[in-house]
Amino acid sequence: GENVEQHPSTLSVQEGDSAVIKCTYSDSASNYFPWYKQELGKRPQLIIDIRSNVGEKKDQRIAVTLNKTAKHFSLHITETQPEDSAVYFCAATLPDSNYQLIWGAGTKLIIKP
Amino acid sequence: DGGITQSPKYLFRKEGQNVTLSCEQNLNHDAMYWYRQDPGQGLRLIYYSQIVNDFQKGDIAEGYSVSREKKESFPLTVTSAQKNPTAFYLCASSPTRTGANVLTFGAGSRLTVL
Repeated sequence: GENVEQHPSTLSVQEGDSAVIKCTYSDSASNYFPWYKQELGKRPQLIIDIRSNVGEKKDQRIAVTLNKTAKHFSLHITETQPEDSAVYFCAATLPDSNYQLIWGAGTKLIIKP
Repeated sequence: DGGITQSPKYLFRKEGQNVTLSCEQNLNHDAMYWYRQDPGQGLRLIYYSQIVNDFQKGDIAEGYSVSREKKESFPLTVTSAQKNPTAFYLCASSPTRTGANVLTFGAGSRLTVL
């Protein structure tokens, strides 16, 4: 079955710097890769997603890149701000599994003032 | 707020007791899910339902049960057979039964076994 590994588990960056979180997946048939953000004490919310027919997607300060050959995808946050502090989860889904999401373990992003 | 309501927010249980967590959505979504979240781990799927009166086991269904009698409701019962039930439980829904969908989550229920 599909397996998703996420690194690092904790990432601390200076406010204004960029942050990059990486995920690798095992099944080349995976075709949908969302990123969710969970602030402390709140529910996870989708921040960006990408499908396998696209290599990169950007939304203001957030971007996701997908390398299908290497089977990894990454979340990029530029010009980090205090409100970016949260736990970020990546996920992948297989079309033959009722599109159930397989989740990474999460990355705690800390923005230092 | 968000279209999915989970209750209670906090719940304490004595060992050997069953408890039921409520999940209601007004988004007219077909699919609903229950996840368990433990520190340092990703979301683990307990059960999911793609249509009324039908549901499937996820990766960690042992010790849990669900029902889907109405489209809007997907309650989760944590039974006494669940060996380590203390956790944060998240309910979610998505618009359709097939295809990759965006999940909308509830605010969660934190269960503590005393």
